[in-house]
Amino acid sequence: KAGVTQTPRYLIKTRGQQVTLSCSPISGHRSVSWYQQTPGQGLQFLFEYFSETQRNKGNFPGRFSGRQFSNSRSEMNVSTLELGDSALYLCASSLLDTQYFGPGTRLTVL
Amino acid sequence: DQQVKQNSPSLSVQEGRISILNCDYTNSMFDYFLWYKKYPAEGPTFLISISSIKDKNEDGRFTVFLNKSAKHLSLHIVPSQPGDSAVYFCAASEAGGYQKVTFGTGTKLQVIP
Repeated sequence: KAGVTQTPRYLIKTRGQQVTLSCSPISGHRSVSWYQQTPGQGLQFLFEYFSETQRNKGNFPGRFSGRQFSNSRSEMNVSTLELGDSALYLCASSLLDTQYFGPGTRLTVL
Repeated sequence: DQQVKQNSPSLSVQEGRISILNCDYTNSMFDYFLWYKKYPAEGPTFLISISSIKDKNEDGRFTVFLNKSAKHLSLHIVPSQPGDSAVYFCAASEAGGYQKVTFGTGTKLQVIP
């Protein structure tokens, strides 16, 4: 069974731009969560989607948004990028209690 | 407010010895705990978990201990192997809300051959 895939793997943007990241969960998994990983903060929860509905949300500004499609694929969007948004963005899918992570998208904001 | 804390950013252990990674939490509502291992350029990989109704869970070389009164858990790796060198994240979630998982900042383990 294929794992969680994320595209693109690397991305370079400039301040003020917007970006969309994509995540394809493991087949059959309906829950998709997004995390931001930075050296100083570790893994921070962004939001979680289940059956196309946002079910949980972390403490991030409204510039961070997401959605989930009927096939469980999910996208995350960040608008008006700031330098501090440079991070590894991880997507995880789950069926029950255990989350399975993708390789992440490394976003660099210049 | 860091609800899950891993106070040791790094740890070095000789091959064959025991590695002990520690994690403290502040939210008494957490009742499910997980450990993830992460290699560079890869996403975290689930390692082992424990429910608050237990105080120990073992899987091969990995054992997780939970002390609810102290709000402390630890991961023991015995014997440590060079391939165990990675960053280890402790994570926790509340009852019925496992989807919102709070992670610690990670401990980088280096196992020296």
